[in-house]
Formats: sequence, structure tokens, C-alpha cells
Amino acid sequence: GQSLEQPSEVTAVEGAIVQINCTYQTSGFYGLSWYQQHDGGAPTFLSYNALDGLEETGRFSSFLSRSDSYGYLLLQELQMKDSASYFCAVRGGATNKLIFGTGTLLAVQP
Amino acid sequence: EAGVTQFPSHSVIEKGQTVTLRCDPISGHDNLYWYRRVMGKEIKFLLHFVKESKQDESGMPNNRFLAERTGGTYSTLKVQPAELEDSGVYFCASSQANSMGRDYTFGSGTRLTVV
Repeated sequence: GQSLEQPSEVTAVEGAIVQINCTYQTSGFYGLSWYQQHDGGAPTFLSYNALDGLEETGRFSSFLSRSDSYGYLLLQELQMKDSASYFCAVRGGATNKLIFGTGTLLAVQP
Repeated sequence: EAGVTQFPSHSVIEKGQTVTLRCDPISGHDNLYWYRRVMGKEIKFLLHFVKESKQDESGMPNNRFLAERTGGTYSTLKVQPAELEDSGVYFCASSQANSMGRDYTFGSGTRLTVV
């Protein structure tokens, strides 16, 4: 089967850097995506890695190592508004469905 | 451009009743997906439409769930009869083409509470 594991909760302070890890087991691999979801809101796309290495988008960066079946999301200069749930996701094999990780609840404290 | 719209935003029903959720995808998006997040756990796939056809319904929990997509436009997800374990947030998403997860657009979800 396919599964993705993430830490359930992470706490950090404003201005800090936090890394959210994701390990995955998939049959076939089509890239790793990251989504942010604020409570009561829509999951929104943050970043995507198809190849190994680092992708940077403003304060957010995402890293992928296909040989280790591992990726992470790096959030820099944390702000209170970054408090949300973060999900990694992979494409579900030959179909277009997304398989999501267990989600990480990030709490940013003053 | 209007996003993915879901209605209602919240629904509270009694066990045994019927509820119908609606999703209006982004205009022109052939792919429409339903997902569910239960009790703060992972977001789980329910089914995928390509236009009006069900491409993949492997995530539908049981036959109490019925999804339709009339004319390849909006979609409905009916739960009949609802059970307590059906409580959760139901998300709809749409995409224009074969997606690697980059062009998914999600709606804000319907929070369903079965009491």
C-alpha cells in the first residue's frame, strides 16, 4: 500500500525556522507535494518536488530525497499566521488522486 | 476566477437522516475529486470524476455514499442514512488536466456533524 508519515505536532516561536518531515512508501512515485490548511479553510498548495533537491518559494522551501523516500518542508521567519496543519502528499499511482500524510499541526508562539 | 465552492459550509444532522453536499468546481476543470478528513486525521480520497464519469471511486466507504456529477459540472455527495462515523470535513477539489498535485484547487469544505 501507500502511506506517508509526519510528526503530529510541532511548536516553534515567531521568527524561528521549523522543519516538517515526511517519509513515504509508494508504489510508483510522481513527486511530493505540500499543502497548508488553516482550521476551517481549504487546503492550499505550497510546494512540489519531482526531483531530488531543494525547491524554494519565498519563506517556504521543500526538499526531496527519492533514494531515502523522504522529504521535508522548511518554514523560515515564522509568523503567527503560519499556525496551521501541513500535509505532504503523493499521487496515488496511475490515477490522479492524492494520498495525504497524517498531517502536522504547527503552533507558532509569540 | 471563482474558486471551488462548496455548500453548505456546515451541516448538523441526526443519525439516520440524509444529507447532500454540493461542489461547484472551477469552470473548465474536467477533474473533480472528493476527500474527507475525519477527527483531525489525514485527508482521505473518496472518489474522482472526469467530466461526468466516475474515474476512481475506490475510496468510497460504503454504499451509503452516492456521488454524482450532472453534465460534468457541479457534483453532489449524498450520505443516506448518515451514521455517527460519517462526521468530518468533506473537501472537494478540481483540476484542469492530469495533475501531479500542483494544480489542485480545494474548496473550503463542508463540516458535517452527525449526532
